[in-house]
Amino acid sequence: AQKITQTQPGMFVQEKEAVTLDCTYDTSDPSYGLFWYKQPSSGEMIFLIYQGSYDQQNATEGRYSLNFQKARKSANLVISASQLGDSAMYFCAMSLRNSGNTPLVFGKGTRLSVIA
Amino acid sequence: KAGVTQTPRYLIKTRGQQVTLSCSPISGHRSVSWYQQTPGQGLQFLFEYFSETQRNKGNFPGRFSGRQFSNSRSEMNVSTLELGDSALYLCASSSKVETQYFGPGTRLLVL
Repeated sequence: AQKITQTQPGMFVQEKEAVTLDCTYDTSDPSYGLFWYKQPSSGEMIFLIYQGSYDQQNATEGRYSLNFQKARKSANLVISASQLGDSAMYFCAMSLRNSGNTPLVFGKGTRLSVIA
Repeated sequence: KAGVTQTPRYLIKTRGQQVTLSCSPISGHRSVSWYQQTPGQGLQFLFEYFSETQRNKGNFPGRFSGRQFSNSRSEMNVSTLELGDSALYLCASSSKVETQYFGPGTRLLVL
């Protein structure tokens, strides 16, 4: 069965600094996708970044990058130049790719607080 | 392109009642998935519909049901509401594995 582990319940970062949010995953399937979502207090889940298990390069989207270490089964999110608006819950999620869309399995999330 | 929309945004019901939530996916997306988010259990998958057929189902009782229409809009229904059904219900639409976009959610409070 798939499992996502986020070991940091809460993190603080100074504005304009970079921060890394940890995510480890467990699956025996070789074909999978990893996602990061941001959830502000409004509740909406905002898609940030995606990494496929066969992708050679680490995914990047603006200030977000995914540090994908397949052998370690980790997919950490790096946010560069943090902004006050980055304060939110962040969820790592995984889906299998071998049979079309499969459900996302989520970690418990990390609450990021950006300090001015 | 318009995003995923969910209605209503907020609902208050009493135990024993039933409720129907609606989700309109991004235009062109044929897959709609539903998730329940609670403080205790986190985010849990309910079911997924693709081209009007349920393709995947999570581990929820039969009180939770859903359907998808020919225009890809989806509804989920919860019958005989229990206090534990209070949650944020999120809908996600997708056109391929790499794209799963969520709506703003419906907050359900069961009294």
